[in-house]
Amino acid sequence: AQTVTQSQPEMSVQEAETVTLSCTYDTSESDYYLFWYKQPPSRQMILVIRQEAYKQQNATENRFSVNFQKAAKSFSLKISDSQLGDAAMYFCAYRGYEKLTFGTGTRLTIIP
Amino acid sequence: ETGVTQTPRHLVMGMTNKKSLKCEQHLGHNAMYWYKQSAKKPLELMFVYNFKEQTENNSVPSRFSPECPNSSHLFLHLHTLQPEDSALYLCASSQDHIGRNTEAFFGQGTRLTVV
Repeated sequence: AQTVTQSQPEMSVQEAETVTLSCTYDTSESDYYLFWYKQPPSRQMILVIRQEAYKQQNATENRFSVNFQKAAKSFSLKISDSQLGDAAMYFCAYRGYEKLTFGTGTRLTIIP
Repeated sequence: ETGVTQTPRHLVMGMTNKKSLKCEQHLGHNAMYWYKQSAKKPLELMFVYNFKEQTENNSVPSRFSPECPNSSHLFLHLHTLQPEDSALYLCASSQDHIGRNTEAFFGQGTRLTVV
């Protein structure tokens, strides 16, 4: 079974600075997708960014980018120019042949 | 406006009560899911429905009973719950349950407290 590990339960960053959230996963599959979801206080999970395992180029969505290291099974999220609205729980997720598997989440606090 | 709507947002129930959680999606998706979110734990997938057919039941106790009358609606019937069942219950939908690229869209969840 696949597992997803987020080793940082909490992170904080100064507004306008850059922060990186870590995620590692374990799988024997070669074809899969990785996702970062954001869960703000409203509780609704929102997709932030996705990465296909076969693509070497790291995905980017505006201020959000990933560092995908397939051999190391690492998938970190970088948030640039942090804004107050980025404060949320961030979940890393893996989707292969089976179900979508989530990590335990990282709570990100933005310091004004 | 969210494409996935869950009601109620909050629910407090006694251990002998029977209640139901409702989920509705307006996205034309064919797969719907129930997840349980507890503090400091990964989201736990409970049930999967694909084209109205239940395709997964991840060892969920029988006091949780899902129902999917059509592709747009999903219910979770609750009875004789335990305090440890208190959690945030999230509903999600996706185009289908097969594609690896399938993005899941979530509702805002029902915060359930069992007393």
